[in-house]
Amino acid sequence: EADIYQTPRYLVIGTGKKITLECSQTMGHDKMYWYQQDPGMELHLIHYSYGVNSTEKGDLSSESTVSRIRTEHFPLTLESARPSHTSQYLCASSSTSGPGELFFGEGSRLTVL
Amino acid sequence: AQSVTQLDSQVPVFEEAPVELRCNYSSSVSVYLFWYVQYPNQGLQLLLKYLSGSTLVKGINGFEAEFNKSQTSFHLRKPSVHISDTAEYFCAVSDSQTSYDKVIFGPGTSLSVIP
Repeated sequence: EADIYQTPRYLVIGTGKKITLECSQTMGHDKMYWYQQDPGMELHLIHYSYGVNSTEKGDLSSESTVSRIRTEHFPLTLESARPSHTSQYLCASSSTSGPGELFFGEGSRLTVL
Repeated sequence: AQSVTQLDSQVPVFEEAPVELRCNYSSSVSVYLFWYVQYPNQGLQLLLKYLSGSTLVKGINGFEAEFNKSQTSFHLRKPSVHISDTAEYFCAVSDSQTSYDKVIFGPGTSLSVIP
């Protein structure tokens, strides 16, 4: 069982609100990622981190921001949500010891009205 | 740039029948290849991975995949499917020579097992 948790699982909010999606892992992994997933579409990497105080933009441009103050915590923030941000957001982590398995959380499904 | 194509967006199959989910990738360098499964309302979990060595890779739940470098393919197979295999399946690739941390996913194939 992977130990990576996302909250909230589901969120419906109005346009212009600030939201933070939480992601925490208890595996001690240095690498963490945020993917955006739309129905019937591939996952797109929007942010990643190699460790504390390290954050990078992914391949898909996103208006969201991330922070990595603690190894286990990698929150994603939208300062002003818009309907175009409606999507599922998946957090993942992996160990440093080489290529291989991404451990995913169960996702946060965001709907912006 | 790397990319992943999954030729079938939906695959219906009867219970206990065999299934093959197709995956092709494009990359100019050596790659690592993965198959992930996503059950309804859950995150993704790794089914199997190819890093090097034998081109036939066995994974969990009776799935296997074969790496074919000349055809740039990594098709997933199972000889006999169960109802519980109904899920979304994602093929993924990462560059083995540089940023293997960046995993590129295909669009997914929805497998529906019919009783």
